Amino acid sequence: QKEVEQDPGPLSVPEGAIVSLNCTYSNSAFQYFMWYRQYSRKGPELLMYTYSSGNKEDGRFTAQVDKSSKYISLFIRDSQPSDSATYLCAMRRTGRRALTFGSGTRLQVQP
Amino acid sequence: GAVVSQHPSRVICKSGTSVKIECRSLDFQATTMFWYRQFPKQSLMLMATSNEGSKATYEQGVEKDKFLINHASLTLSTLTVTSAHPEDSSFYICSAAGGEETQYFGPGTRLLVL
Repeated sequence: QKEVEQDPGPLSVPEGAIVSLNCTYSNSAFQYFMWYRQYSRKGPELLMYTYSSGNKEDGRFTAQVDKSSKYISLFIRDSQPSDSATYLCAMRRTGRRALTFGSGTRLQVQP
Repeated sequence: GAVVSQHPSRVICKSGTSVKIECRSLDFQATTMFWYRQFPKQSLMLMATSNEGSKATYEQGVEKDKFLINHASLTLSTLTVTSAHPEDSSFYICSAAGGEETQYFGPGTRLLVL
C-alpha cells in the first residue's frame, strides 16, 4: 500500500465548476501538507501549504486537512481552462524535509 | 514564491556519455536541495537529498556512483548522470529549501539518451 493515495483522474469539468481534489495517507507522522500544480513538461508550482487541521483559503483555492481521518482536499472555485494541469498532493514528517508525493490528478477544465 | 532555475532545460546525449544538470536557487540560500525523477504520467520520485557541504543522502535503489550529486554552495547543486543509458531518459527536477518549511521546484530538465 502506498503511503499517499491520490486518484490519477483524469477529471474533466466545465468552466466555472467547483473542483474537489483529494488525497489520503496512512502514516500519522505526516504533519505538513502541500498542494502543487504541474503543467505539462514543467516543474511543480506550490499552491498551498498547511499544517493544522481545518481550512486555509487563498483566492480561488481552499486547502482542507483532516488529520483524524488522514484526508486532505484542495477545492478550486470558478475553475478556468488555465487551471488544467496535474495537481500533486505532498506531505512530510516533522524533522524531515523530504516530501512524499501522491501520484497526481490530471484536471481538464473545458471552456 | 522563491525562484529555482535548472540548466539545461533539455539535453540529448549518446549512450555512455555523462550529463551534468545544474540547479540554482536565485533569490534565497538553500541549505537543502533535493533531486527528483519523473517518468511520463507518473509522480515525482525522490532520488537524493543534498545538504551544502556534506555528502548527499540517496534513496533506496538509487545508485550513488551513477548519479553524482554535489552541493558546493548554498545556491548551487549539480547532478551528474554518469555513463548514461536509454533507461536513464527521464524528467529530472530539483527543489530547494531554505529557512522555510516548503520546497520550491525548478522547471526540470528533460534527458533523452539515445
